Amino acid sequence: EIVMTQSPATLSVSPGERATLSCRASQSVSSNLAWYQQKPGQAPRLLIYGASTRATGIPARFSGSGSGTEFTLTISSLQSEDFAVYYCQQYNNWPPLTFGPGTKVDIK
Amino acid sequence: QVQLVESGGGLVKPGGSLRLSCAASGFTFSDYYMSWIRQAPGKGLEWVSYISSSGSTIYYADSVKGRFTISRDNAKNSLYLQMNSLRAEDTAVYYCARDLWGELGAFDIWGQGTMVTVSS
Repeated sequence: EIVMTQSPATLSVSPGERATLSCRASQSVSSNLAWYQQKPGQAPRLLIYGASTRATGIPARFSGSGSGTEFTLTISSLQSEDFAVYYCQQYNNWPPLTFGPGTKVDIK
Repeated sequence: QVQLVESGGGLVKPGGSLRLSCAASGFTFSDYYMSWIRQAPGKGLEWVSYISSSGSTIYYADSVKGRFTISRDNAKNSLYLQMNSLRAEDTAVYYCARDLWGELGAFDIWGQGTMVTVSS
């Protein structure tokens, strides 16, 4: 099973600032990596797939990078609606599909 | 619009059974692979089970193998999860999710979730 880790667990950022979230896989997942955003009481929303492709309707301030075992989600200028929990997920070697534990982005 | 709506959650005693349903609309359900994913209260996301578009290929997480059964009825645009021998650790919000076309294993559409509580 591929284990996904995320850092930091919590990221405190001021509106308008840049946020950089990290995700690491225990073995290579190539570019088969997705990022999701989840707000309280809501289902997750797909942001990025293929490590760097924005999903339909996702604003350009969200960008993904990386391949192999190291990945990054960058939010270039945080908006109020971006404060949420972010999960990475690998879909290269499964079952099982595995998610990271999440990074909570909150207001500084 | 493209939508998934789960139902069937509730309170059940340990050892009991429950059947979850997921009604799909706004897309050709029979073209898509589907999964169930759960989230325990205050915890992260855990993939539970996957079924191919025809139903011929099925996978389960080890934590539910032998107790849960995924199925689908393409004529009814519906996905199901039969859960038997339920345990306290199965308590979670259960989401059905659609595979992103061409990216097997990534999920572009999620339902709102249905809560399953296993408690005596």
